[in-house]
Amino acid sequence: DSGVTQTPKHLITATGQRVTLRCSPRSGDLSVYWYQQSLDQGLQFLIHYYNGEERAKGNILERFSAQQFPDLHSELNLSSLELGDSALYFCASSVRPGVTDTQYFGPGTRLTVL
Amino acid sequence: GENVGLHLPTLSVQEGDNSIINCAYSNSASDYFIWYKQESGKGPQFIIDIRSNMDKRQGQRVTVLLNKTVKHLSLQIAATQPGDSAVYFCAENINNAGNMLTFGGGTRLMVKP
Repeated sequence: DSGVTQTPKHLITATGQRVTLRCSPRSGDLSVYWYQQSLDQGLQFLIHYYNGEERAKGNILERFSAQQFPDLHSELNLSSLELGDSALYFCASSVRPGVTDTQYFGPGTRLTVL
Repeated sequence: GENVGLHLPTLSVQEGDNSIINCAYSNSASDYFIWYKQESGKGPQFIIDIRSNMDKRQGQRVTVLLNKTVKHLSLQIAATQPGDSAVYFCAENINNAGNMLTFGGGTRLMVKP
């Protein structure tokens, strides 16, 4: 157990809908990262927050947004969902935002868009 | 599991043998490299890391080797056990690109009892 928690574990929804995925980092970690794992793209970085501020963006679609709250938990919002958004979404956390700060991953949320 | 349908190179080894999983990375500016293990139904689990100023690092039963000349990373697992069966990913991090990991495609390790 990495100490990173994610809810829900599974989510099934329809095209066009909007969902929110939640992540709680390890105790003491200030950085939160979101990754998408799909069958055809592998693990892809989406976005990084440090202490409430956005630090880096990857190939995140405009339909997706995220935020990190004062209590350091983070939410990833996915809107106007398409079939291709079906994937595993992982959150990771680290103590600081440095390159050598190890990222610890949560168990993921499996999103299925029908 | 997460990687059903995704064509992954597979390494099949006998229990007790040593395993070597290889990874080629593309960016010569990468500063930091990590190996993760992902079991079915779980998130990636940190195994071992290495900085770009090193060429070898050892952990418990695992060793990572870094060859910057040919941009190659390898993970050696000694005395492979059935519990080592998983998909292994290498990841690289570039200092001036924010703390974003770029993952390789993964290798599936199957350990035969």
